[in-house]
Amino acid sequence: QKEVEQNSGPLSVPEGAIASLNCTYSDRGSQSFFWYRQYSGKSPELIMSIYSNGDKEDGRFTAQLNKASQYVSLLIRDSQPSDSATYLCAVNPRYGQNFVFGPGTRLSVLP
Amino acid sequence: GAVVSQHPSRVICKSGTSVKIECRSLDFQATTMFWYRQFPKQSLMLMATSNEGSKATYEQGVEKDKFLINHASLTLSTLTVTSAHPEDSSFYICSASGTSGGRYEQYFGPGTRLTVT
Repeated sequence: QKEVEQNSGPLSVPEGAIASLNCTYSDRGSQSFFWYRQYSGKSPELIMSIYSNGDKEDGRFTAQLNKASQYVSLLIRDSQPSDSATYLCAVNPRYGQNFVFGPGTRLSVLP
Repeated sequence: GAVVSQHPSRVICKSGTSVKIECRSLDFQATTMFWYRQFPKQSLMLMATSNEGSKATYEQGVEKDKFLINHASLTLSTLTVTSAHPEDSSFYICSASGTSGGRYEQYFGPGTRLTVT
């Protein structure tokens, strides 16, 4: 069974700090990886996608992928209270297949 | 990113009535659409997967006769909650997946909050 695991949190960081969110997946052949942000009462929003090993940066966000360790992470630099949300890790095992979502990590950025 | 719309955003209905929710992908052709349900403070729960022109595939425990899904085109899927009851009150979210810019991605609609009285 394909699984995606995340620490449910809550992860609390002070404003301005780096928030580090982690995700592991079980299907070694997975092709693509995504991070979604979900604010309370809203639907998930795609914020990052990563397809190859290494780092991918977009503004204050950096996604890191290590396929050998089956590990994906999301770093948020200079965390702001507006970053407080649940972050969902998603894995697409094969092109065209259903995405597998993790349970999400709740992040709280304290002013 | 791609845009997925949902209508209505919020609906209140009486017990025993049916409610239809529309999901549209506005700027890309969605090969697959998904319907999720989310209760307060809980994770997304996948209800069903639908491909254009074929019957939906329902997750275990989801009643296909109660949650009717129609995926008539590459841009439109509908979910009808039939004979709704208060326990069906939830946040229903659709998503669409397809190729955008050469990549296979999935985008969510804004969700529909259903309250059954």
